[in-house]
Amino acid sequence: AQKITQTQPGMFVQEKEAVTLDCTYDTSDQSYGLFWYKQPSSGEMIFLIYQGSYDEQNATEGRYSLNFQKARKSANLVISASQLGDSAMYFCAMREVLGSGGYNKLIFGAGTRLAVHP
Amino acid sequence: NAGVTQTPKFQVLKTGQSMTLQCAQDMNHNSMYWYRQDPGMGLRLIYYSASEGTTDKGEVPNGYNVSRLNKREFSLRLESAAPSQTSVYFCASSEWGSGQPQHFGDGTRLSIL
Repeated sequence: AQKITQTQPGMFVQEKEAVTLDCTYDTSDQSYGLFWYKQPSSGEMIFLIYQGSYDEQNATEGRYSLNFQKARKSANLVISASQLGDSAMYFCAMREVLGSGGYNKLIFGAGTRLAVHP
Repeated sequence: NAGVTQTPKFQVLKTGQSMTLQCAQDMNHNSMYWYRQDPGMGLRLIYYSASEGTTDKGEVPNGYNVSRLNKREFSLRLESAAPSQTSVYFCASSEWGSGQPQHFGDGTRLSIL
C-alpha cells in the first residue's frame, strides 16, 4: 500500500532564511506523482507544487522547489526566503491512480507545522 | 471565481441526527472527492466520484453516503451522526490527468455531541 511519511511535526525558521520540509513515500508503482499543499490557520488547502515520477528536473514554483530523490523515495519541499505568511501546516501527498481513465486520489501525510519567526 | 464551495461552514449536531454537506464546483472538473481531516492524521478519503454518475468508497466510508447530483455537485450525507464523525470535512475536485491538482473547498467544521 502507498504511504506518505512526514517526520517533522513542527519546524521553525527565521524570516528570510530557507527551510526544508521532509517527505518520504512508499509505493510499488512506477508512475506516481507527489503534491505539496499549504494549510494556513484559516483552514483552506492551497496547492503549491507537483512532481511526477518521470520528471527529470525538480519542480519549482516561485519560492517553492521540490527536492526529488527517487532512489531515496523522498520529495522534500524547500521554501526559500521565508516570509511570515509562510507560517502554516504543510502536507505532502501522493497520487494514487484509481482507474484507467486518469482519475486519481491523494494519500496525505500527517503534515508539518511551520512557524516563521521575525 | 468561486472554485469549490462548501456549505455549511460550521454545524453542531446531536448524536443520531442526520445532515447533508453540500459541495459545488464551477471549474467543470470531472472528479470530485470528500475527505475528512482529524488532528494529527492528515486528510483521509471518504468517497469519490470519478465522473458524473459514478461514486466509489475511499478509505473511511462507514457511516456516510454520497450523491453526485450532476457534474457540479457532490453531496455527503451522515444518516445517523456519531461523535466519532466530529471532524473537518473537505470537498475537492480535479480534472483527469496525472499532474492535475485537486482544488479544495474551505471545509466544513462538524461537531457531534
